[in-house]
Amino acid sequence: EAGVTQSPTHLIKTRGQQATLRCSPISGHTSVYWYQQALGLGLQFLLWYDEGEERNRGNFPPRFSGRQFPNYSSELNVNALELEDSALYLCASSLSLAGAYEQYFGPGTRLTVT
Amino acid sequence: TQLLEQSPQFLSIQEGENLTVYCNSSSVFSSLQWYRQEPGEGPVLLVTVVTGGEVKKLKRLTFQFGDARKDSSLHITAAQPGDTGLYLCAGDPGNQFYFGTGTSLTVIP
Repeated sequence: EAGVTQSPTHLIKTRGQQATLRCSPISGHTSVYWYQQALGLGLQFLLWYDEGEERNRGNFPPRFSGRQFPNYSSELNVNALELEDSALYLCASSLSLAGAYEQYFGPGTRLTVT
Repeated sequence: TQLLEQSPQFLSIQEGENLTVYCNSSSVFSSLQWYRQEPGEGPVLLVTVVTGGEVKKLKRLTFQFGDARKDSSLHITAAQPGDTGLYLCAGDPGNQFYFGTGTSLTVIP
C-alpha cells in the first residue's frame, strides 16, 4: 500500500511569490494535516482538513491557505512568500476524526525562499 | 509555552548506554503517540499509548503512559547508532493535535 506522497520534493521561490504544495493521503484516509518545520525546530501545526472541510488551523497568517479535494488529496498555498517561510512542509493523513487517530507522514517538501 | 514539553532537548550518548526521554504536559490526553524523525524525512509513528499506566515495548524501546495521562516516557536500552534521530511525542487534548518540542538523540558508535 502506498504511503503519503508529497510534491514537489524541493521548491525554490523568491520573496513575494506564491508556492503550491501537494499531498496525496494513504488510500482510505480522509483527514489531511499540514505542518511547518523550520530548521532545527519542532513541528508547528498549520491546517487540518477532513471530508473536504477545514476543521482547524494553527496560529499562522491568512496567506497560508489550502483545500482538500473530493479524492482527499490536498493542496497548501502560501502567498506573498517571506524569507522566514523557508522550512520543511510536512503532510500527514489519518483514518478518523476522533480517538487515537495516528498520523502517517509524507517525506515533506523543502521550501526555500530567497 | 508549549503544550507538550520534552526533556532533554538534546542527548548525545555512547553506543550501548541506556536513556530515557520525557514528555510532560499539564493537560490530559486520551492518547499519546511517539514518533521518530530522521533528517530531511517525515516523522515515523513508533507507538500509541492509550490507557493510563500503560507500558508498551518495541524491541529495545519501552514506552509508558502516566497514570493521570498527562505525561509519557520513552526508555531505550543499549542504544544503537540506528536509534539516532529526533523523537517527538504528540497528542490531542481535545481541540487540536500537538507535537512536543522534540528530543534530538545522537548515539555515537
